[in-house]
Formats: sequence, C-alpha cells, structure tokens
Amino acid sequence: SYELTQPPSVSVSPGQTVSITCSGDKLGDKYACWYQQKPGQSPVVVIYQDTKRPSGIPERFSGSNSGNTATLTISGTQAMDEADYYCQAWDTNTAGVFGTGTSVTVL
Amino acid sequence: EVQLVESGGGLVKPGGSLRLSCAASGFTFGSYTMNWVRQAPGKGLEWVSSISRSSSYIYYADSVKGRFTVSRDNAKNSLFLQMNSLRAEDTAVYYCASQWLASFDVWGQGTMVTVSS
Repeated sequence: SYELTQPPSVSVSPGQTVSITCSGDKLGDKYACWYQQKPGQSPVVVIYQDTKRPSGIPERFSGSNSGNTATLTISGTQAMDEADYYCQAWDTNTAGVFGTGTSVTVL
Repeated sequence: EVQLVESGGGLVKPGGSLRLSCAASGFTFGSYTMNWVRQAPGKGLEWVSSISRSSSYIYYADSVKGRFTVSRDNAKNSLFLQMNSLRAEDTAVYYCASQWLASFDVWGQGTMVTVSS
C-alpha cells in the first residue's frame, strides 16, 4: 500500500521559516494537500492541489510538490501555527492516504 | 453556514455493530463525494471510506473492507457508516468530510467510537 512519510516533529522560532516534508513514491505525479490540526479540533486544509491556499488561509502558508517529496512551508511563523500537520494524497485515485504527521512547535 | 455534524458514536463491545450518521447543511450535499476519516487516540489521521455523489463509486481502506459499509441519502443530506464486527483497533474519533479537488475541504466535529469489553 502507498505510504507517506513525514518527520515526527520540527521546531521553529517565532518569525522564522519552517518547512515540513512529505515523502512518497512518485508523489510529484499526484496532487498533495496539507492539513493543520490543533489539539481537540478537527483538521483544516491549508494547502490543496500542491500549491493552492483556501480562502482564509494566511499567505505565510505555501506548498510545493516534485519528484518524491511534497513540502509545506510556513514563513514568518506565528505562535498560532503550533499544531500537527498532515500531508495527504490519493493512491490510484481510489484510496486516500495520510502522512504520518508532524508536530510543529513554536519556541 | 457550511456544516457537517456526526452522530451515533458510543461504547460497543468487540464484535458489535454501530451506525454513524453525518448531517450536512449549508451546501449542495449531493454534488460532493463524501468521506469518512478516523483518528485513534493520540494517533494520526486514517482515511476510511469514500462514496461518490450518486453512490456509484465506493471505496474502503483495507483495514475496514468487508466490515464497514458507507451509504448516503442525498434527499436527506445525510451520510452513513455501518460498522460491523468491531475490533478494539477501530476505537477512534470518526470524522465525515466533503471532498473537493482531491482534498477534504469541510470536516465535521467528529464522533467517538470506543470498542471495549
């Protein structure tokens, strides 16, 4: 079955830039999206179709996807960005797959 | 306001059954593929099932295939998940989510399912 691998955790200082990677076989051939989940809350999509931001998502969130790796970048990270982040793609368009998840800590 | 509200969770014994519901409002429910996603306590997200707009295409994760059945009633703006032969590893918060452009754009608040004797 298809797998997406993320680093378990990353830390960043306020105002700095942090990147979260998501690795999967030929992931660049698929659309990747990213979700933010804060404790006790439902996930929220922050990036879809590799690079697009839904309305209401701050411009500091950006995405890319090429080769075997999709990347979520948060520029000018704020304390409110502290959360778990999950990448997601579709395996042969029929089975959803989530990444292993990354906990972002804003120190 | 676009909203999804799950219900039907609870405590069930191993081998038992449970039926989850998801009520949609604020959007044209019948125009969207719908999904169930679950999250075990302290764990990551796991996609469970998807059902196309007209119920023509239905898919399941291998972990639930043969035990869970997804269905929808577009006239009642409702999504369902019938869960049979439940196992301890099915314990999780179950979310319904609408699908748009290959992403899950709207999520419900989730309903907790606990499988324990």
